[in-house]
Amino acid sequence: DAKTTQPNSMESNEEEPVHLPCNHSTISGTDYIHWYRQLPSQGPEYVIHGLTSNVNNRMASLAIAEDRKSSTLILHRATLRDAAVYYCILWDLNSGGSNYKLTFGKGTLLTVNP
Amino acid sequence: SAVISQKPSRDICQRGTSLTIQCQVDSQVTMMFWYRQQPGQSLTLIATANQGSEATYESGFVIDKFPISRPNLTFSTLTVSNLSPEDSSIYLCSVEDLTANNEQFFGPGTRLTVL
Repeated sequence: DAKTTQPNSMESNEEEPVHLPCNHSTISGTDYIHWYRQLPSQGPEYVIHGLTSNVNNRMASLAIAEDRKSSTLILHRATLRDAAVYYCILWDLNSGGSNYKLTFGKGTLLTVNP
Repeated sequence: SAVISQKPSRDICQRGTSLTIQCQVDSQVTMMFWYRQQPGQSLTLIATANQGSEATYESGFVIDKFPISRPNLTFSTLTVSNLSPEDSSIYLCSVEDLTANNEQFFGPGTRLTVL
């Protein structure tokens, strides 16, 4: 499995933007970049995913480097409810079958200060 | 999106006993996954459960310790057998939804404490 590297923790202030980086230098051409987050005492939830182009949804934006070896999850205005562990995960479109599984790394613990 | 419930939400068990965790989904899904999250750690996949076939276990996990049932497309159980304190973890089930961004939906988890 292609690996990702994320900072262990980051801190932000409420209502400020947050940029969460992820390095994936061994990404393959068919790997999608997925982001999940895990709020305290909950199961992970999907945030966003992309392949090559930048993506936006109601939760966040995903900026993907041109060489795809890194990406950044952007929370435009952090709220206290965004405090969570954020996981950057590579998922191979061609894996199929039981390989729809997700391989979680350690993620980034985001603390949001009021 | 799929809504997933798990029972029990938490339990305290004695060593040597077993605990069966139920996972119920509000829609039919092909694949269900069982994960373990040890205290302060990330999630580790235990096995993939497909309806009508044997579960596929990841390296380090065996059927005798973690038997899984998948009787239909909306339900699965995970049993953690012969419990020891090292089995104290949160166990989560998830399902894939290929119609919605290829995302997976996770249940709230079952917190197991083994004394």
